[in-house]
Amino acid sequence: AQSVSQHNHHVILSEAASLELGCNYSYGGTVNLFWYVQYPGQHLQLLLKYFSGDPLVKGIKGFEAEFIKSKFSFNLRKPSVQWSDTAEYFCAVSFQKLVFGTGTRLLVSP
Amino acid sequence: NAGVTQTPKFRVLKTGQSMTLLCAQDMNHEYMYWYRQDPGMGLRLIHYSVGEGTTAKGEVPDGYNVSRLKKQNFLLGLESAAPSQTSVYFCASRGSGARTDTQYFGPGTRLTVL
Repeated sequence: AQSVSQHNHHVILSEAASLELGCNYSYGGTVNLFWYVQYPGQHLQLLLKYFSGDPLVKGIKGFEAEFIKSKFSFNLRKPSVQWSDTAEYFCAVSFQKLVFGTGTRLLVSP
Repeated sequence: NAGVTQTPKFRVLKTGQSMTLLCAQDMNHEYMYWYRQDPGMGLRLIHYSVGEGTTAKGEVPDGYNVSRLKKQNFLLGLESAAPSQTSVYFCASRGSGARTDTQYFGPGTRLTVL
């Protein structure tokens, strides 16, 4: 069955530190890839998405993600995090239906 | 343009009670989805619909029923609530083309079953 793995369940960083959250999926065919963010008490919002073309995708709020097809990965990065980035981040992959990873809780300390 | 809305926002039920969660979207989207979110488990798909009058089972459909009588509405029903159904429920919708694969989420309904 298709699955999405997020290896880091909890990440704690200081402001200005760099961030990389891992996401891997298991499926050999064509997929669409997404990162969603959920701020405390809020619903999921789209951070960025990849359908085709340039594998380096830029999203909102300074986030970017790189699709590496050979590694079945779509890792999320941000060069310098802010306190306001504290949230839960979900990777999702579209195999006809959208399958979510279990999420990564990011805490950024001031 | 409100996007995706859900009612109610919060609800507490006793075991065995029934209730219906309403999801509405004003984007003329064909596809609609119901998910539940539980700690450490991400979002899991309960049921979905690919168009008015159609529904299909997702990953965790047991104990839930759905209906899509109108294109803009997708109802999730619990006939006899159980404590295991305590969760946050999210509705989502998207368009029907490959380029409209992005799902848009509602604000969620927090349900507690005692």
